[in-house]
Amino acid sequence: DAMVIQNPRYQVTQFGKPVTLSCSQTLNHNVMYWYQQKSSQAPKLLFHYYDKDFNNEADTPDNFQSRRPNTSFCFLDIRSPGLGDAAMYLCATSRDYRADTQYFGPGTRLTVL
Amino acid sequence: GESVGLHLPTLSVQEGDNSIINCAYSNSASDYFIWYKQESGKGPQFIIDIRSNMDKRQGQRVTVLLNKTVKHLSLQIAATQPGDSAVYFCAETPADKLIFGTGTRLQVFP
Repeated sequence: DAMVIQNPRYQVTQFGKPVTLSCSQTLNHNVMYWYQQKSSQAPKLLFHYYDKDFNNEADTPDNFQSRRPNTSFCFLDIRSPGLGDAAMYLCATSRDYRADTQYFGPGTRLTVL
Repeated sequence: GESVGLHLPTLSVQEGDNSIINCAYSNSASDYFIWYKQESGKGPQFIIDIRSNMDKRQGQRVTVLLNKTVKHLSLQIAATQPGDSAVYFCAETPADKLIFGTGTRLQVFP
C-alpha cells in the first residue's frame, strides 16, 4: 500500500546530542511537510518542500534543519535538542499545495533526557 | 488561527448515539477543509474533506457540513462506536498550508 513511513517510531536522545528523524513516501507526492506536535495541541508546521524548494516557517527555530535528497525521502535534523523539543514529529505529504489533502505518517516520538 | 492551549474540549457520547463536533475556522479565503482523526500515539488520519463550493458532504457514517456565512464546520458521526474515540481536528487551507483547529476529544462510553 502507498503510504508515509517514519523511522524510528520512538527516539531517545540526550540534551544537546544531534538527532535525525526520517520520513519516506511511496505516494510520489511533490510536497513533504514536517510538523511538531506537543501534548493536547494541534500539529505545528515547521517547514515543507515542494520538490526541492525549501520553505521555512518564520517561527521555526534555527536548531531545526531539513533535507530532501530525492522525491521519496525527507529528513529532520535537530542540531542541539533541548528539553522543550520533546514532542511528536509528524511527516506529511500532498500531491500539490493548495486544496490538496495532506497524508500523515505515524509520527516519531522524541524524548530528550 | 493557530491552535493554542493545553486543555482540549471534550465531547462524551454513549455508544450508538450520534456525535457532532464543531469547528470555527478563521479565514474567509479558505476554500478547502479537512477533518482528521488522531488516536493516541498515532498520526492524524484523513476522515473527510469538503470544498467551499459545497455545504454538505457525506461519507461512511460521517457527514461534514460547511457554513461559510458564519465560518463554521461540523463533523457528524452516526452511530458512534468505541473505535471512534480519538481527538478530531478540523483544518482549513487559506493558502499553501494547513491551519489546524484546536481539536476536540471524543470519548465514547458504553
